[in-house]
Amino acid sequence: EAGVAQSPRYKIIEKRQSVAFWCNPISGHATLYWYQQILGQGPKLLIQFQNNGVVDDSQLPKDRFSAERLKGVDSTLKIQPAKLEDSAMYLCASSLDGAGTYYGYTFGSGTRLTVV
Amino acid sequence: GQNIDQPTEMTATEGAIVQINCTYQTSGFNGLFWYQQHAGEAPTFLSYNVLDGLEEKGRFSSFLSRSKGYSYLLLKELQMKDSASYLCAVKTTSGTYKYIFGTGTRLKVLA
Repeated sequence: EAGVAQSPRYKIIEKRQSVAFWCNPISGHATLYWYQQILGQGPKLLIQFQNNGVVDDSQLPKDRFSAERLKGVDSTLKIQPAKLEDSAMYLCASSLDGAGTYYGYTFGSGTRLTVV
Repeated sequence: GQNIDQPTEMTATEGAIVQINCTYQTSGFNGLFWYQQHAGEAPTFLSYNVLDGLEEKGRFSSFLSRSKGYSYLLLKELQMKDSASYLCAVKTTSGTYKYIFGTGTRLKVLA
């Protein structure tokens, strides 16, 4: 089966600019996650979708970050305006259900964002 | 609160055995995962434990003790390609499923 697709792979922007990341989960996976991973740290959950509804966005900085999941499939994560501390890897993951079951879930290849 | 602890960095020699420990304090425990992450890449699934005991999968084994809030990942016959970060993640349920990741252990395998 095809994996989780993410784009772009890399992005460099200046502070105060906006940026958007795209994710296409594995077909049939109801749950989609966006994680932020700062260099040297573990992934931190930003937002979790179940189909096209938000399940958890408690750690999403809502003054600058937004995310949507269109028709319960693709998802976009936006940052506007970006700050230097947003420099990180942004990982998308999907699972069949919220449980992630035995296999955990599958991560995409990530987007490496550098804010200068 | 929810907390996961792992050593920051470990070094071992090619061909040796290394044990990476993980301790956790979470509510609604529903399983523990280990992921491998090479620099600049996404994490990949290694193992899953939900019951106490040892799960063996080739060169990698993972152990869980729920009463002690403790797990370890055991890597045998180390190879240079095993140099990576190893992430411990706990699945919790508090109305909804959630995964909490540790900060990862960076393993360096030396020739």
